Amino acid sequence: DTEVTQTPKHLVMGMTNKKSLKCEQHMGHRAMYWYKQKAKKPPELMFVYSYEKLSINESVPSRFSPECPNSSLLNLHLHALQPEDSALYLCASSQDITSGSYEQYFGPGTRLTVT
Amino acid sequence: GQNIDQPTEMTATEGAIVQINCTYQTSGFNGLFWYQQHAGEAPTFLSYNVLDGLEEKGRFSSFLSRSKGYSYLLLKELQMKDSASYLCAVRDQTGANNLFFGTGTRLTVIP
Repeated sequence: DTEVTQTPKHLVMGMTNKKSLKCEQHMGHRAMYWYKQKAKKPPELMFVYSYEKLSINESVPSRFSPECPNSSLLNLHLHALQPEDSALYLCASSQDITSGSYEQYFGPGTRLTVT
Repeated sequence: GQNIDQPTEMTATEGAIVQINCTYQTSGFNGLFWYQQHAGEAPTFLSYNVLDGLEEKGRFSSFLSRSKGYSYLLLKELQMKDSASYLCAVRDQTGANNLFFGTGTRLTVIP
């Protein structure tokens, strides 16, 4: 099983809503990532979890709050978002962050629209 | 920091060969990846290079020259389904071994 799953596939939310994005992998990977991708742009790294601990936070606003309940799950909690936060949110996983050869496997993404 | 450059768009004919170039500048190079991304879908892994030379995988090959900070992805016997964006990504060990993506090259295959 080389699959990373993400739910929901699409999400429309108002600026006052609270919602969560979910990501799951069962490959035994110990590193998980959140990326944000705007149209016709490359993915931009937001957060990295290594062994369920937050390793990297790339200066992401506090309205995005990641959570890693266990080694298979990664959540992204959203609160008080802005319209410019509308994007494709991609989750990825890899064996770990120490070896350069391990590729990242990406989920299908959640298309988020903030109204 | 990292600086990764790719052409924005390319067009090629079905059955032909196309080469997509990527140049990079990074302080802690630790591997280069190529990903394919169809519109609205997740990137999928194509190839990995960490040593100089050519890696071949079916219709796809990837080349790396570390001294020149240069890589290319070669696609042979192009098919219509190869129309997609191709992302060059560099792993930087000074950046916690994270991937840094280039802007991507949008390839259109025409009949």
